[in-house]
Amino acid sequence: AQSVTQPDIHITVSEGASLELRCNYSYGATPYLFWYVQSPGQGLQLLLKYFSGDTLVQGIKGFEAEFKRSQSSFNLRKPSVHWSDAAEYFCAGNSGTYKYIFGTGTRLKVLA
Amino acid sequence: NAGVMQNPRHLVRRRGQEARLRCSPMKGHSHVYWYRQLPEEGLKFMVYLQKENIIDESGMPKERFSAEFPKEGPSILRIQQVVRGDSAAYFCASSPPGQGGRTEAFFGQGTRLTVV
Repeated sequence: AQSVTQPDIHITVSEGASLELRCNYSYGATPYLFWYVQSPGQGLQLLLKYFSGDTLVQGIKGFEAEFKRSQSSFNLRKPSVHWSDAAEYFCAGNSGTYKYIFGTGTRLKVLA
Repeated sequence: NAGVMQNPRHLVRRRGQEARLRCSPMKGHSHVYWYRQLPEEGLKFMVYLQKENIIDESGMPKERFSAEFPKEGPSILRIQQVVRGDSAAYFCASSPPGQGGRTEAFFGQGTRLTVV
């Protein structure tokens, strides 16, 4: 069955520290992959997406993600976290259709 | 260009009442999707609609839930005889025609339904 897994439910980092959020996928073929951010009480905002080509994808707000086929991973990174990055982050995939499969999310806390 | 508009943002219903959630897609988007987010969980696909057609409702509970996207007006997700387990955030997303999954879905801010 197709799935997207985010193994970390909560992550806490200090402001200015680097960040990596993990995402693993299980699909028959390489899916399209997305990272969304959700601030409390808000909707989802797209950070970045991967369809094909360059495996290092740049997104908004200084985020990037690297697609690694050998590890079935699409981890999100940021070199220096800001307090405003505190939110919940969702990895999602789809196999070229309309049906997205979301991970369960990683809640990021940023310490001042 | 306004984003995906959902209303109401918050909805409180007593058990047994009906809940109607509305979604206006982005201008030019003819595909609408509804997702449900239960507490501490990710979003789960419910239904995919195009104008006047339900394309895939495989994620919808078989009873009490229905969705429509009429020729004119917003998409409606209707929950009849709500129960406490229906309490969740319901998100609508839209996308333009013809691109399948290759474009991101644009999400609304959600309707948070609380059943008391």
